[in-house]
Amino acid sequence: KNQVEQSPQSLIILEGKNCTLQCNYTVSPFSNLRWYKQDTGRGPVSLTIMTFSENTKSNGRYTATLDADTKQSSLHITASQLSDSASYICVVTGQGAQKLVFGQGTRLTINP
Amino acid sequence: DADVTQTPRNRITKTGKRIMLECSQTKGHDRMYWYRQDPGLGLRLIYYSFDVKDINKGEISDGYSVSRQAQAKFSLSLESAIPNQTALYFCATSDPGQGSTGELFFGEGSRLTVL
Repeated sequence: KNQVEQSPQSLIILEGKNCTLQCNYTVSPFSNLRWYKQDTGRGPVSLTIMTFSENTKSNGRYTATLDADTKQSSLHITASQLSDSASYICVVTGQGAQKLVFGQGTRLTINP
Repeated sequence: DADVTQTPRNRITKTGKRIMLECSQTKGHDRMYWYRQDPGLGLRLIYYSFDVKDINKGEISDGYSVSRQAQAKFSLSLESAIPNQTALYFCATSDPGQGSTGELFFGEGSRLTVL
């Protein structure tokens, strides 16, 4: 069964600290993996996309990694800010069928 | 103005009532989706449409119906609402064009409470 598991479910850190969110998937064959940020009361917005050939991609203070062999991805946030408080959702797309498999998300809270 | 607009943003209704959630988009995308979000369960696909004449059930379509009135409009109906349909509903679009990576563009969400 195609699944996407995210950890931790929730995380609280102090402003300025770094953190890493994890995403493990079993979707096969794999097309791409996308991280979305969902602010409270808003729709998810894409942060970055990882394809099979990419290992690391940065978007400002966000750095995503992908290990296609172990089917794992991480999202690292550097020097966290209060505005980083949100849910982060990992979505994996399988080849051909356009099927998207969603993780349950990680709820990140940044405290001052 | 938002590219994907959902109405209403919030709705409280009673069991048995018919509810329609509407979605309109200005992105020019052919593909539109309705998702439901519940705490701890993530986003689940209710229905999707790849063009005006194409409607497909998602993983949790029971109790819901949809209408694709035009390329830009996709409505979700609950014919007889029940309390376990209380959730946050999202409309989304995507572009199937060449080179597309399948990014979803979401509306702001419609929070539905069924009493």
